[in-house]
Amino acid sequence: DIQMTQSPSSVSASVGDRVIITCRASQGLPNWLAWYQQKLGRAPRLLIYGTSGLQSGVPSRFSGSRSGTEYTLTISSLQPEDFATYYCLQAGTSPLFTFGPGTRVDIK
Amino acid sequence: QLQLQESGPGLVEPSETLSLTCTVSGGSLSSDSYYWGWVRQPPGKGLEWIGTIYYTGTTYYSPSLKSRVTMSIDTSKNQFSLNLKSVTAADTAVFYCARSPVSLSAFDSWGQGALVTVSS
Repeated sequence: DIQMTQSPSSVSASVGDRVIITCRASQGLPNWLAWYQQKLGRAPRLLIYGTSGLQSGVPSRFSGSRSGTEYTLTISSLQPEDFATYYCLQAGTSPLFTFGPGTRVDIK
Repeated sequence: QLQLQESGPGLVEPSETLSLTCTVSGGSLSSDSYYWGWVRQPPGKGLEWIGTIYYTGTTYYSPSLKSRVTMSIDTSKNQFSLNLKSVTAADTAVFYCARSPVSLSAFDSWGQGALVTVSS
């Protein structure tokens, strides 16, 4: 099974900060890597698909990229509504999926 | 606008079978452009993919749950279902149904989630 790791597991940040979350697969280089935002008591919201595709309606301060075996979600300027938990999702052999363990972003 | 709604018992006894149904409105389960899936989240924990089904009835299950999971689809009712057998307290979770466009390889639309508690 492909396992996903995320770092950091949590981060404290201020409004306006640049926040970077990384995700790594235990094997291979998944072509299909997505990022989700989840707020307490709510369903996850798709932010990024296919490593760097911005989902419709998602602000442009969110971006995704890959460098080597690391996949990155960047929030360029953190806004109050961005405090949430973020998950990566890999679909190495779609439609078989694996979620990362999550990164909590909270207020510094 | 696409809507997904989970339904089923909120309480299941240990060793029994957990059964949930997802009713889809504003879209057709007969489309060849989408997969349909289940994801769960134990209280205070992360997301776990359970399985995915195609309109043809082809299923894909998480290796860790494969021995206990069965999914089915009824395109005439625009519903798909999840059965998880031999449940324990560790299966207590919020269960989400979701849509995965074939072109995205990600879940883009989600139900609101249904809490299922395993307890006697």
